Amino acid sequence: GIQVEQSPPDLILQEGANSTLRCNFSDSVNNLQWFHQNPWGQLINLFYIPSGTKQNGRLSATTVATERYSLLYISSSQTTDSGVYFCAVSAEDYKLSFGAGTTVTVRA
Amino acid sequence: KAGVTQTPRYLIKTRGQQVTLSCSPISGHRSVSWYQQTPGQGLQFLFEYFSETQRNKGNFPGRFSGRQFSNSRSEMNVSTLELGDSALYLCASSSNPSGSYNEQFFGPGTRLTVL
Repeated sequence: GIQVEQSPPDLILQEGANSTLRCNFSDSVNNLQWFHQNPWGQLINLFYIPSGTKQNGRLSATTVATERYSLLYISSSQTTDSGVYFCAVSAEDYKLSFGAGTTVTVRA
Repeated sequence: KAGVTQTPRYLIKTRGQQVTLSCSPISGHRSVSWYQQTPGQGLQFLFEYFSETQRNKGNFPGRFSGRQFSNSRSEMNVSTLELGDSALYLCASSSNPSGSYNEQFFGPGTRLTVL
């Protein structure tokens, strides 16, 4: 299956700081999604971004499919941004392969 | 539009028992996938159903099974529970996984504890 690597594994930020999370994947994909897992375990959709760039408020994401990586940018971080961020990809078999996640802690 | 719903939200069972989890997809979505999340293995794909047919299966033992009904609702069953089956089980639905747009949306999960 497709291998997904996320970095860094842990990130500690001061409120107001900017950060970049990276996702590398091992093969061509037709789906790439970024999720934020809330404290109760639900995966909240952030971006569906198999290629290109998207922005949603303070979050933005870029996927360079030809180079097999995606970046998630968090600007002006807030304490509510804390949590685990997952990158997941799929190819023709529709099953999502997840990275191990990046745990973000934003301190006030 | 209502999101993906899963029942029950929490479940406690003992070793050797069996359990059935339920998932109702977003209205109009015909694909349902199941994932298991554990601290040690992370998020792993279990199986995917589309129009009542299992199209793909992950690397799990035969004790894990599922089905999908004509209204797209899905159930998964785990028989002869083991301690290692304790996990968060997540269900996801998608409208058109075979097309160019196949975003998946997740339910709140069922947290299973096996004692």
